[in-house]
Amino acid sequence: DQQVKQNSPSLSVQEGRISILNCDYTNSMFDYFLWYKKYPAEGPTFLISISSIKDKNEDGRFTVFLNKSAKHLSLHIVPSQPGDSAVYFCAARRGTGFQKLVFGTGTRLLVSP
Amino acid sequence: DAGVIQSPRHEVTEMGQEVTLRCKPISGHNSLFWYRQTMMRGLELLIYFNNNVPIDDSGMPEDRFSAKMPNASFSTLKIQPSEPRDSAVYFCASSLKVGQASSGANVLTFGAGSRLTVL
Repeated sequence: DQQVKQNSPSLSVQEGRISILNCDYTNSMFDYFLWYKKYPAEGPTFLISISSIKDKNEDGRFTVFLNKSAKHLSLHIVPSQPGDSAVYFCAARRGTGFQKLVFGTGTRLLVSP
Repeated sequence: DAGVIQSPRHEVTEMGQEVTLRCKPISGHNSLFWYRQTMMRGLELLIYFNNNVPIDDSGMPEDRFSAKMPNASFSTLKIQPSEPRDSAVYFCASSLKVGQASSGANVLTFGAGSRLTVL
């Protein structure tokens, strides 16, 4: 049972344009969401997060939007740069108990010059 | 800090052999996680420890898999006997302050992974 879903396995964008990566979740108990970025031969690294009490969080070129009613979040990258080319994982966590992140399957972003 | 250190980076073995993957978490982190990455299922949590104690091993596929954390600076994930379907990248991650779930600082720091190929 995939509780966190990233339905687009890949996305191609031109440099300077906006990249939008989407993520859906099924468990309404999730209340904290994170995005991780992964380059080849490296481990995932934390990018940005959002609590369920917010609907938007921004950090430089990266913005995460959360729509709780739709159980949907998205990551916007503006402007996209070739160095953003990587696999992006969406992850979710319940607020109580120990930290246990549930990850999606990832979306491979390719930003072309 | 050198980050989370995993070894070996690559392992190729034959079906039936024992495989041991190793992890050194970041010093001071009190939680350690083993994840497996496959194309079909993405990153799956296998097991996690808090203060060296296994908290949840419900993600461990079957009895062929076992994990230990004898001290705060070392953990192993063992597969015995290995099978071709175990081929994947295995990640170890560590974090601090587990339990303060509302804190955005409770992010996982991952190692570079161990790529396992079972022939």
